[in-house]
Amino acid sequence: GAVVSQHPSRVICKSGTSVKIECRSLDFQATTMFWYRQFPKKSLMLMATSNEGSKATYEQGVEKDKFLINHASLTLSTLTVTSAHPEDSSFYICSAPYRGSADTQYFGPGTRLTVL
Amino acid sequence: DQQVKQNSPSLSVQEGRISILNCDYTNSMFDYFLWYKKYPAEGPTFLISISSIKDKNEDGRFTVFLNKSAKHLSLHIVPSQPGDSAVYFCAASVEGMGAQKLVFGQGTRLTINP
Repeated sequence: GAVVSQHPSRVICKSGTSVKIECRSLDFQATTMFWYRQFPKKSLMLMATSNEGSKATYEQGVEKDKFLINHASLTLSTLTVTSAHPEDSSFYICSAPYRGSADTQYFGPGTRLTVL
Repeated sequence: DQQVKQNSPSLSVQEGRISILNCDYTNSMFDYFLWYKKYPAEGPTFLISISSIKDKNEDGRFTVFLNKSAKHLSLHIVPSQPGDSAVYFCAASVEGMGAQKLVFGQGTRLTINP
């Protein structure tokens, strides 16, 4: 089946630094990718929709200046957490819909961010 | 405001028996529902889905039931196997909105006991 990769899988950074997370669709093109965040024992919360060739669409309450999204190509979207703080520590997961259908939306393995 | 709710954070079932995971939703615009399975430190994996025009969809050991009037869906796994132990998320979306945005429940941790 289709594969979505994320890099890095785990990152620890100091407060105030910026961290970039990559999401790649390995064997299909994705004009749209989604970024989710999961807090411990909570549901996956959609943060934003990444659109190739245009600006990302952010969900209500998500700071677009803090979570910068760039959809550089049809197979790559990046999420940059700027000036990270401990409260940004979380599990970040991306997904890409294959053929535009919800049931073939493939998820990356996730990135565990820890901000000290 | 939690539009999709899984009120049981955990469920323990004996191997070979039926596992029933429940999910409720509040947004009547949702017309497509999915179940995902998730292992620790991995992304969710799609299991089974159902459109609102149906009330049941079956795939092997997995069956999803949808009760639109009650805004309730359930996932039945029978017989349950140890490999089914994972966190299960239900998700909902509005079909026909292009690449669908999913709204997830909080998840239910299923443990299958040998």
